[in-house]
Amino acid sequence: GESVGLHLPTLSVQEGDNSIINCAYSNSASDYFIWYKQESGKGPQFIIDIRSNMDKRQGQRVTVLLNKTVKHLSLQIAATQPGDSAVYFCAENEGNTDKLIFGTGTRLQVFP
Amino acid sequence: SQTIHQWPATLVQPVGSPLSLECTVEGTSNPNLYWYRQAAGRGLQLLFYSVGIGQISSEVPQNLSASRPQDRQFILSSKKLLLSDSGFYLCAWSVGAGELFFGEGSRLTVL
Repeated sequence: GESVGLHLPTLSVQEGDNSIINCAYSNSASDYFIWYKQESGKGPQFIIDIRSNMDKRQGQRVTVLLNKTVKHLSLQIAATQPGDSAVYFCAENEGNTDKLIFGTGTRLQVFP
Repeated sequence: SQTIHQWPATLVQPVGSPLSLECTVEGTSNPNLYWYRQAAGRGLQLLFYSVGIGQISSEVPQNLSASRPQDRQFILSSKKLLLSDSGFYLCAWSVGAGELFFGEGSRLTVL
């Protein structure tokens, strides 16, 4: 079946630096993508989403970039803070359904 | 505002025992409901998906079942647990094709 994969299982960044978390997807029919943050022992929390008719979307300190040509999605976190330490998941909708398929996640570690 | 409640938060069960995890959503009508499982250090695997009362789609063959007796209630069950059923179970809801809102999860350990 379709799957969403991540390039890096763990990303370590220094506090204050920018973080970039990457994601590759394989379903060319997907038209909705979303990033979640999951802290240890908790449910995932929404960060930002983007639809396939857009290339870029910005939130507070976060930016999502979508490259449909190469089926690549990235999450950029500006001025990374210790509170950003968590596992980040990208997800895509399965075809034109309401179901979200998640990748395996990237652990972001922020050190002082 | 919408809220989602999931319980119990933690449980330890022996192999072969039954399981019942419950999830309720408040503040919305006719939501899509989901059960995901997350193995330690892994991603989220979609187990069940429901678009309405009594309508359940099973995504993977497994030892579990799901039911939706009421519009905003979603139950995950098993008659006999296996060791491989251990994991972190997450209930979620959405309205249409969009953002999923997750509960806080239920950590199941099967011994």
